[in-house]
Amino acid sequence: GAVVSQHPSRVICKSGTSVKIECRSLDFQATTMFWYRQFPKQSLMLMATSNEGSKATYEQGVEKDKFLINHASLTLSTLTVTSAHPEDSSFYICSALRTSGGASQETQYFGPGTRLLVL
Amino acid sequence: EDQVTQSPEALRLQEGESSSLNCSYTVSGLRGLFWYRQDPGKGPEFLFTLYSAGEEKEKERLKATLTKKESFLHITAPKPEDSATYLCAVQTLTGQNFVFGPGTRLSVLP
Repeated sequence: GAVVSQHPSRVICKSGTSVKIECRSLDFQATTMFWYRQFPKQSLMLMATSNEGSKATYEQGVEKDKFLINHASLTLSTLTVTSAHPEDSSFYICSALRTSGGASQETQYFGPGTRLLVL
Repeated sequence: EDQVTQSPEALRLQEGESSSLNCSYTVSGLRGLFWYRQDPGKGPEFLFTLYSAGEEKEKERLKATLTKKESFLHITAPKPEDSATYLCAVQTLTGQNFVFGPGTRLSVLP
């Protein structure tokens, strides 16, 4: 199977502090990873696309200076929420893109998610 | 604009009562259609990928089918453990991103 891990699974922080979330593909290499945010009973909202060795591509309305993404290796992408505020509290989910069939087939495999609570 | 819709929004079934979930899409060109299952407080779990009209895939009580405009996820004789939100997503020929539907919340009552 294709396994993606996220750490931490849950974090509580004070307003104004920064929080780093790690996303790792454990048994495959991923040139591309995605970061999503999900509100209760809503679908996934894509925040940014992370490509190994290059700058992330952010979706419209997502502040790149607030949500820092680093994809330094083929198995690790990190999302740092800088100067977090209560409105940043949410469920953050990453995914890693696995290619097969000679790169003609791509499948997203998701991590278990990180619950962030900013007090 | 690429768009994915799912129906119904929520579905309640009795254990053993078979039904189908719908995923309708309008895209410039389909590269692949994906089904995921998501349990509360967890990340989506990959179920199936379909690439061309007429294709079908099965896994236990689930069967996914694809036409040129929509996909169905058939659930045969569901059990309470099948309760989850089922997400559909499409990958277009032109883009790298995946377009997700809003999901169908399935509840299977014992």
